[in-house]
Amino acid sequence: AQTVTQSQPEMSVQEAETVTLSCTYDTSESDYYLFWYKQPPSRQMILVIRQEAYKQQNATENRFSVNFQKAAKSFSLKISDSQLGDAAMYFCAYRSPPYSGGGADGLTFGKGTHLIIQP
Amino acid sequence: DTAVSQTPKYLVTQMGNDKSIKCEQNLGHDTMYWYKQDSKKFLKIMFSYNNKELIINETVPNRFSPKSPDKAHLNLHINSLELGDSAVYFCASSPWGTSGNIDRDEQFFGPGTRLTVL
Repeated sequence: AQTVTQSQPEMSVQEAETVTLSCTYDTSESDYYLFWYKQPPSRQMILVIRQEAYKQQNATENRFSVNFQKAAKSFSLKISDSQLGDAAMYFCAYRSPPYSGGGADGLTFGKGTHLIIQP
Repeated sequence: DTAVSQTPKYLVTQMGNDKSIKCEQNLGHDTMYWYKQDSKKFLKIMFSYNNKELIINETVPNRFSPKSPDKAHLNLHINSLELGDSAVYFCASSPWGTSGNIDRDEQFFGPGTRLTVL
C-alpha cells in the first residue's frame, strides 16, 4: 500500500514571500499521479496542481510549482509571492495510474500542512 | 452550476440514530467516492463506485452503506450512529472509466457534510 507523509504540521510565511511545503511518499509502482489540494476554512477541497510520474518536467500553475524528485520519492510544493488567500490546509495526495484500475481506488492523502500567511 | 453537491452541509444527531447524506454530481462522471475527514483533518477513502457498482470498501463498518441509484448519485446511509462517526464526509467524482476514458483521474470534491454525533 502507498503512504504519503507530510512532515510539517504547520508552516508560517510572510505575505509576498516564498514558502515550500514538503511531501514524501512510498510506493512500489513506477507510474502514478501526485496532487496538491488546498482546503481553506470553507473546507472545500481545491486542486492546486498535479504531476504525472512519467513526466520529468515539474508542473507549474501560476504562483504554484512543484519539485518532483522521483528517485527520492519527494514532491514538494512551492508557493511564490504568498498571498493572504493562500492561507489553508494543504494536502499532498497519491493515486495509482488510472489504466491499472487506480482510477477507482481513490486518493491516498498525507496528514496535511497548515499554512499561515502573516501580513 | 454546482458540480458536486452534498446535502445536508451540517448534520447534528444523537447516538444510535440512522442518518443519510446525499451526493449528486452533474459532470457526467462514472466514478464517485466517499471520503471521511476526522477531527485531525486526516482524509481517508471509504468507498468508490463506478457506474453504480461498488469498487472499493476500505474496511468501513457495516453500519455504513453507500447506495447509488444512478451514476449521478451516491448516497451514504449510516446506521446506529456512534460518537466516533463525528467527522466531515466528502463526496467526490472523477471521469475515470467514463465512456472508455481511463486516462483521466482528476477528482472533484463536494463541499463536505459536517456530521456531529452527540
